[in-house]
Amino acid sequence: KAGVTQTPRYLIKTRGQQVTLSCSPISGHRSVSWYQQTPGQGLQFLFEYFSETQRNKGNFPGRFSGRQFSNSRSEMNVSTLELGDSALYLCASSQGRADTEAFFGQGTRLTVV
Amino acid sequence: GQNIDQPTEMTATEGAIVQINCTYQTSGFNGLFWYQQHAGEAPTFLSYNVLDGLEEKGRFSSFLSRSKGYSYLLLKELQMKDSASYLCAVAPRAGGYNKLIFGAGTRLAVHP
Repeated sequence: KAGVTQTPRYLIKTRGQQVTLSCSPISGHRSVSWYQQTPGQGLQFLFEYFSETQRNKGNFPGRFSGRQFSNSRSEMNVSTLELGDSALYLCASSQGRADTEAFFGQGTRLTVV
Repeated sequence: GQNIDQPTEMTATEGAIVQINCTYQTSGFNGLFWYQQHAGEAPTFLSYNVLDGLEEKGRFSSFLSRSKGYSYLLLKELQMKDSASYLCAVAPRAGGYNKLIFGAGTRLAVHP
């Protein structure tokens, strides 16, 4: 079956702009989580959506938001971009049940200049 | 607070055995995951432990001690392709299996 698909793979934006990233989970998976990965901080949890509802949220400012559609596809939006937002943004999908692993997409590499 | 510690870097020789340790302090515990991430690629699942003890899966094994807040990943018969970062992650509370807290990762270099 097809894996987790993230688009775009690479993105360059200017400070102050906004950006929308997309994630298509594995077919049948209802949970989508987003993570930010930077060399200094490692992988940090942003939020999780399950059946179109935000189920968990990490400690990121309100500039980071997301949503999930009825087909389980998810989008993440970052407004008023800052240089420090440059990172690899990873999306992970799972069935959302106990002891099931999350499958990660290849990520979107965002560079803010 | 939430804290997960693992060594930053390790080196090992092809064919050898290496143990990557992970200690954690989290508010709640509902399982510990190990992921492998090659440079420029997505993390891939290796193992999941929720009860104390050793889980073996081929060349990889993972151990958990909940009372000590400690886990390790054991890689046997190392191959060059095992050179990667190994991420330890904890699911901190019920219903939070998809809210994982990750350690910074251990970069493993396997030499001939």
